Amino acid sequence: EDQVTQSPEALRLQEGESSSLNCSYTVSGLRGLFWYRQDPGKGPEFLFTLYSAGEEKEKERLKATLTKKESFLHITAPKPEDSATYLCADDQTGANNLFFGTGTRLTVIP
Amino acid sequence: NAGVTQTPKFQVLKTGQSMTLQCAQDMNHEYMSWYRQDPGMGLRLIHYSVGAGITDQGEVPNGYNVSRSTTEDFPLRLLSAAPSQTSVYFCASRTGRNTEAFFGQGTRLTVV
Repeated sequence: EDQVTQSPEALRLQEGESSSLNCSYTVSGLRGLFWYRQDPGKGPEFLFTLYSAGEEKEKERLKATLTKKESFLHITAPKPEDSATYLCADDQTGANNLFFGTGTRLTVIP
Repeated sequence: NAGVTQTPKFQVLKTGQSMTLQCAQDMNHEYMSWYRQDPGMGLRLIHYSVGAGITDQGEVPNGYNVSRSTTEDFPLRLLSAAPSQTSVYFCASRTGRNTEAFFGQGTRLTVV
């Protein structure tokens, strides 16, 4: 059974305090690992796709990395506008859909 | 481009009523999906379609019906609403396997 586990459930950071969010996925059959940002009352917004271990992608203060068993979303010097829920999802061989974790709710305090 | 458009944005139903949530996309995507999002449970797949005329069940299909007569539209029907169907519903579309999904803004449904 496909399993995507995110930690922590919630994270409070001071502005400028860097940290990382974790996403563990079902190892066998991974075709892609996806990161999304979701603001309250909105639909998830696509951030990154990672396809193979060792791959990294960056966008502004965010960097996503992928190992053979987990993915990290690193947030460098966050700002209050980075406050959101961050979701990861995997795409498994034989499946036609993304399977989502329950998300990490990030709050950045000025 | 509008992307993925969902209507309505908010809806209140009485137990036993039926309704249809609308979803349309203008990106010519073959794959479309419906998810529900509940606190602490993340996004759970209800039904999906890999092309016009083809639909299949997801993780939580009971009480819902779908059809896909065109590439653009993928409506979700609630047959007889129950309080357990109170949730936020998201429609998503993607080009195919191993590609990112694009989401609508959601429909917040309350069943009383």
